[in-house]
Order: sequence, then C-alpha cells, then structure tokens
Amino acid sequence: SQQGEEDPQALSIQEGENATMNCSYKTSINNLQWYRQNSGRGLVHLILIRSNEREKHSGRLRVTLDTSKKSSSLLITASRAADTASYFCATSGGSYIPTFGRGTSLIVHP
Amino acid sequence: DAGVIQSPRHEVTEMGQEVTLRCKPISGHNSLFWYRQTMMRGLELLIYFNNNVPIDDSGMPEDRFSAKMPNASFSTLKIQPSEPRDSAVYFCASSTGQGAFGYTFGSGTRLTVV
Repeated sequence: SQQGEEDPQALSIQEGENATMNCSYKTSINNLQWYRQNSGRGLVHLILIRSNEREKHSGRLRVTLDTSKKSSSLLITASRAADTASYFCATSGGSYIPTFGRGTSLIVHP
Repeated sequence: DAGVIQSPRHEVTEMGQEVTLRCKPISGHNSLFWYRQTMMRGLELLIYFNNNVPIDDSGMPEDRFSAKMPNASFSTLKIQPSEPRDSAVYFCASSTGQGAFGYTFGSGTRLTVV
C-alpha cells in the first residue's frame, strides 16, 4: 500500500514554537499532499509536493520530500493557537487517488 | 465557488432504515471521491468517479452501500439497510487535473445509526 503514516500521533507545543510532523510511505508516488482538519470539519488542502520536488513553502508552512527515504515532513513555523488541528498526509500514485494516513494531532497552547 | 457541498450535515437514523447522503462537487471538477472517517480506521476511500463514471468501488464495504453520479454536479451515497457500525463521518471530495492542485473536501455528513 502507498498509504502514508504520520509521526508523531500527537504533538503538544507552546505558541511561537515550531511544529514538525513526518510522513512515511511504502511505494513510489506521483505526489504527496498535506491536509489540515479542524475538529468537526472537513479536510483543508495545505500543500502539494510532486515526486520530482524536494521542498515547497507556503506562508509559515515548509514541506520537504525525500523519495529515497520515502518520507516527507511538514514544518509549521511560529505556531499559533489557531494551528491546533489534525494534520494528514496523502499520497497519490499512478491512479492519482489520494490515500490518507491516520494523522498527527497538534495542540498549540496559547 | 461555494466549495464542495454535502447534505445533510448530521443524520441520526434507526438501524434498518435507508440513508442517502448527497454531494455537489465544485463546478468544473471531473473527479469525485467518497470517503468514510472513523476513529478506528481513519479515512477510507469508498468509491471514486471520473467524468461521472465509477472507476474504483473496491472500498465500498458491502452490498448495502451504493453510489451514483447521474450528472457532473451531483452524487449520492446510499446505505440500505443501515447498521450501527455504519456510524461515521462521510466526506465527499472533488478534484480536477488528476488532483494536480489537491482535492477539495466537503464539510462531511456525521451519520449516527442507533
């Protein structure tokens, strides 16, 4: 399966600190995406990185992809209480159907 | 665009009843996905449509589940008869260009079968 698995399962930090979440997967991919899910809401697309890219930025988000290690990381810099949510990685292979991991639950304390 | 619209937001039904969940994808998106989210199993893909045609329904748990997409702007997921283990949040998502720009999710339908 190309399903991604996030690590850690839960992360608790103070406002202003950086948060790093990791995603590992098993098979080759076309792209990898990160999503945020606030409690009781749908998933919101954050960033997509293609298999031939190594790093992408979007505001306070930085995503890296290492295809040799089959892993990706999501860094949120200068975290805010509003960043409290679950974060999911999704991998897409030849079928372009996204397969989701179990997520990392992030709590940012004010 | 109002995004992907799902209805109802919440549904409580008795075991054995028929349940129909509805989804309106983003205009112009040609792919539509139904996912189910539970604490135990996370996000599971149930079925995927491309240009209104079901492409992969291998995730549909059993014959009690069926999905249709009669046109590009509407899809339904039906459970008949419903069982308590079907209780979950059901999400619809749509995309274009094979997801090159990501996938847009609806707010979900929280289904409780008692």
